[in-house]
Amino acid sequence: DIQVTQSPSSLSASVGDRVTITCRASQSIGRYLNWYLQKPGKAPKLLIYAASSLQSGVPSRFSGSGSGTDFTLTISSLQPEDFATYYCQQSYSTPFTFGPGTKVDIK
Amino acid sequence: EVQLVESGGGLVKPGGSLRLSCAASGFTFSNYDMNWVRQAPGKGLEWVSSISSSNRYIYYVDSVKGRFTISRDNAKNSLFLQMNSLRAEDTAVYYCARAGAVNYGMDVWGQGTTVTVSS
Repeated sequence: DIQVTQSPSSLSASVGDRVTITCRASQSIGRYLNWYLQKPGKAPKLLIYAASSLQSGVPSRFSGSGSGTDFTLTISSLQPEDFATYYCQQSYSTPFTFGPGTKVDIK
Repeated sequence: EVQLVESGGGLVKPGGSLRLSCAASGFTFSNYDMNWVRQAPGKGLEWVSSISSSNRYIYYVDSVKGRFTISRDNAKNSLFLQMNSLRAEDTAVYYCARAGAVNYGMDVWGQGTTVTVSS
C-alpha cells in the first residue's frame, strides 16, 4: 500500500499569511494527488485534483504543485474561512490513502 | 443541484449489521465511479471502498474485506454499503463521495451518516 505523509501536522497563521503544506507519498504516484479542506462537522471539500488543477469554484489563492512523491499545497493569502484541516489523498492505486491531515488555526 | 444524501446509520451492537444508502441527484449517476469514505471520531479520513460506474470493478480497504459489500443501483441512482460483523473500530461517520473524471479526485460528498458500534 502507498503511504502518504503530511507536514506540518498543525500550524498557526494569521489572515493574509502565505501558507504551505507538504505531502509525500511512499512511492511515485505521478500526478495522482488531490487536496481537500474539511471544517469541523462538515464533509470534506475538493480543492485541487491531479496535483495542480483547481477544482471549479475554488478561489485562486489555492494552488498545488509537485509530481512523483513530493507535493505542495499553497494558500497565497490566508482568509478567515480557510482555517480548517487539510488532507492530501493519493488516487494512484487502491487503497486510496489519505494523509493524516494538517490543521490550520488562527495565530 | 448536484447532491448526495446518505442514510441508514445508527447504533448497532458488535457483530451486528447495517446497510447504508446514498441517494444521488442532479447528475448522471451511472457515469461515475463512487466511493465510501469514513472518519472515526476525532480522526482523519479513511477510504473504505470504491465501485466503478458499471459495477465491474470493486475495491475495499483490507480492514473491511469479507465484512462489507459495496453495490449500486444505477436505475435508482443509489449507492449502498452492506456492513456485517461490525466492530467497535468501525464506529465513524460514513460519507459517500463521487469520483471525478480526472485522476479520481472526489468532487462531490454527502453530509455523512453516523455509525456507532457499541454494546
